[in-house]
Amino acid sequence: ETGVTQTPRHLVMGMTNKKSLKCEQHLGHNAMYWYKQSAKKPLELMFVYSLEERVENNSVPSRFSPECPNSSHLFLHLHTLQPEDSALYLCASSRDRGTNGELFFGEGSRLTVL
Amino acid sequence: GESVGLHLPTLSVQEGDNSIINCAYSNSASDYFIWYKQESGKGPQFIIDIRSNMDKRQGQRVTVLLNKTVKHLSLQIAATQPGDSAVYFCAERASTGFQKLVFGTGTRLLVSP
Repeated sequence: ETGVTQTPRHLVMGMTNKKSLKCEQHLGHNAMYWYKQSAKKPLELMFVYSLEERVENNSVPSRFSPECPNSSHLFLHLHTLQPEDSALYLCASSRDRGTNGELFFGEGSRLTVL
Repeated sequence: GESVGLHLPTLSVQEGDNSIINCAYSNSASDYFIWYKQESGKGPQFIIDIRSNMDKRQGQRVTVLLNKTVKHLSLQIAATQPGDSAVYFCAERASTGFQKLVFGTGTRLLVSP
């Protein structure tokens, strides 16, 4: 069982829909991340939160809006997406933002935009 | 700019063979490297890491080698098993401060029984 849980696992939405992805970590970590994984491309860092404060926004379009209400939960709100936004969205956490060591990933939310 | 790449997109081996997955990186200032394994339908899982002050580190059935002279990283898997079939990513830490990892595109390892 993973310490990072993502829901939904699969999501199909139209370009005019509004949906949200949810991530919850049960590891007591202080930093949380959103990554985008597209076919044949490296993992792309989207957002980083440390102690509920956004510390990194990697030039992500405003149609992606993150929210971190507490150190255990992270959301990615989606609005007026494009078909090229179809991808696997991975949430990850780490003990804190300044340590070496692993990122713990969730199993991802597979998003398809029609 | 920074880039992390992999020499081979797919590696096919027989069960019991040793596997070697290679990775090239371009940022000579990177000081920390990680290998992740991603099985189908799952998120990446940490395998092993190595700091730049080391050239070799061993885990259970896995060994990571770091050659800073040529900016090359490799993952060796001993006695490869069908359960090792997955995509393997290398990643480098390109800056200090937080876990800003730059990932490679991945190598798919296929293990035949």
